[in-house]
Amino acid sequence: SQQGEEDPQALSIQEGENATMNCSYKTSINNLQWYRQNSGRGLVHLILIRSNEREKHSGRLRVTLDTSKKSSSLLITASRAADTASYFCATALIQGAQKLVFGQGTRLTINP
Amino acid sequence: DAMVIQNPRYQVTQFGKPVTLSCSQTLNHNVMYWYQQKSSQAPKLLFHYYDKDFNNEADTPDNFQSRRPNTSFCFLDIRSPGLGDAAMYLCATSALRGGYNEQFFGPGTRLTVL
Repeated sequence: SQQGEEDPQALSIQEGENATMNCSYKTSINNLQWYRQNSGRGLVHLILIRSNEREKHSGRLRVTLDTSKKSSSLLITASRAADTASYFCATALIQGAQKLVFGQGTRLTINP
Repeated sequence: DAMVIQNPRYQVTQFGKPVTLSCSQTLNHNVMYWYQQKSSQAPKLLFHYYDKDFNNEADTPDNFQSRRPNTSFCFLDIRSPGLGDAAMYLCATSALRGGYNEQFFGPGTRLTVL
């Protein structure tokens, strides 16, 4: 299965700290994306990193991609209570790139 | 604002009673997706439309059907809902610009089966 695995499954930190979530996958990809989901809501796209990119930034988000290890990480710096959500990585295969396969997600809780 | 709209947000149906969930988009995206998401699990792709071409996932039960009458609308029909079909159903769209498929999600419809 291409499905990504995320680590940790749950993470609880204090406001202001940095949060790091990891994602691993099994086969070659076209791109990898990260999404956020607030409880009971739809997913929101955060960032897309292409297979030929190694690092990407967007505001307080930093994503890395290591295709040799088939892994990615999402770093949220200076966390806020509003960052509390589930975070999913999703991979797009080289063949059939219009589909995404989602990982199981990391449940992030930011404590005030 | 361009967006993906799902109606209703909450749907209650009875075991075996057909139900239809709807999705509309103002983004003019050519790809529309339906996902099923159960509690604390990853969204699972049921099927997607690339323009008018329907693409079913191999493990999607026959109980689930879909229609896309035009670019803007897509429907999910569950012919005979079972208790195991209770879940959040998410609609998403994508423009596939340059081959990259950032997806835009609706708020979801939470289906309860009694």
